[in-house]
Amino acid sequence: QSVLTQPPSVSAAPGQKVIIPCSGSTSNIGKHYVSWYQQLPGAAPKLLIYDNDKRPSGIPDRFSGSKSGTSATLGITGLQTGDEADYYCGTWDSTLSGWVFGGGTRVTVL
Amino acid sequence: QVQLVQSGAEAKRPGASVEISCKASGYSFTSHYIHWVRQVPGQGLDWMGLVDPSGGSRNYAPKLQGRVTMTWDRSTSTVQMELRSLQSDDTAVYYCAREGRDSSGFDYWGQGTLVTVSS
Repeated sequence: QSVLTQPPSVSAAPGQKVIIPCSGSTSNIGKHYVSWYQQLPGAAPKLLIYDNDKRPSGIPDRFSGSKSGTSATLGITGLQTGDEADYYCGTWDSTLSGWVFGGGTRVTVL
Repeated sequence: QVQLVQSGAEAKRPGASVEISCKASGYSFTSHYIHWVRQVPGQGLDWMGLVDPSGGSRNYAPKLQGRVTMTWDRSTSTVQMELRSLQSDDTAVYYCAREGRDSSGFDYWGQGTLVTVSS
């Protein structure tokens, strides 16, 4: 059971948009920055979004992040077959004194 | 360029210990925390702990306290993670990851090290 809650899967057609929610609490998302990671099959996770809504250099602006209260979302527009991957949200938890992640969301391009 | 290069796959018996290394290059080693994250095959990411190579502090996940030790060597820019009393549910891919200096998030990851625990 993950501390942060994500849907197990989302899907959409190529070119469409998906939104991945990440729900937490006042001790984690409500207090700390959220980051998002993309994990392609067989690969290490890759940072997509940091500090809630910032993109590292090289990450296309098709990927966006936002946070409100104790929830965060990752948006992917212009969906491509190469976006098929698992996506994880993560943040610090003050009560647990450690990093926590969501259970991951598998994005499928129909 | 920034790189985190981990040691190779390990196969261990239950009750044994494993040590994995993570060699950092391409940046100032003491400027960033290094975290360890593991992933059981087919499952999600599980945070294990962090080290601060500059200040000496460590922070371990409560469920691993007493079984895990993270150390570092500034002379070789290497972080080591030792996990003791291995059980089958410790079978996982273990990653080291660098935390951003003035930002929150893991901006670089090692390639992962598969540890298989089996009798």
